[in-house]
Amino acid sequence: ETGVTQTPRHLVMGMTNKKSLKCEQHLGHNAMYWYKQSAKKPLELMFVYNFKEQTENNSVPSRFSPECPNSSHLFLHLHTLQPEDSALYLCASSQDRGGGTEAFFGQGTRLTVV
Amino acid sequence: GNSVTQMEGPVTLSEEAFLTINCTYTATGYPSLFWYVQYPGEGLQLLLKATKADDKGSNKGFEATYRKETTSFHLEKGSVQVSDSAVYFCALRVYTGTASKLTFGTGTRLQVTL
Repeated sequence: ETGVTQTPRHLVMGMTNKKSLKCEQHLGHNAMYWYKQSAKKPLELMFVYNFKEQTENNSVPSRFSPECPNSSHLFLHLHTLQPEDSALYLCASSQDRGGGTEAFFGQGTRLTVV
Repeated sequence: GNSVTQMEGPVTLSEEAFLTINCTYTATGYPSLFWYVQYPGEGLQLLLKATKADDKGSNKGFEATYRKETTSFHLEKGSVQVSDSAVYFCALRVYTGTASKLTFGTGTRLQVTL
């Protein structure tokens, strides 16, 4: 248990569906992240939020829409996804006091797009 | 830019064998270095870290030394166990004054057999 909780753990959705991934942390951290982990590819950073403000968007397609209503919660809204979007989506948080502070990861949501 | 290079896997070892997983990096600025581990079906967990040159991070019998002269952070363990079977990720982080992201290597899968 790392203090970062992701729901759901598994999700199967059709290409026309709309769904949302949820991430919650009660560690008092000020930064939250979405990563995508695909088979045989490096972890891809998608979005970074610092004090609820988006500070980085790594050229992510608009079918992925993040939302950070407060420092403890982060959502990833999904719509009209493609099969190649199937992956493990990882949420992480950190307290950014310097480069040495580590990120804590949730267990991930395994997404399958059919 | 920042990047991390890890040795290709999978690495297959017998129980009690010596483990080395190589990691080298390039970074703009002065990075902190991390090793994360991912067990099957789980998210990433911090294994160890080092924040300055010549620091040695250690945890659960694993060690890695921050070598600035060779830009390396190789992971070692003297005697692996079957329970160490997992994917290991080397990562770096350069703090820029805002939420600073982790840059990951591609991961190295370790398989330990009896």
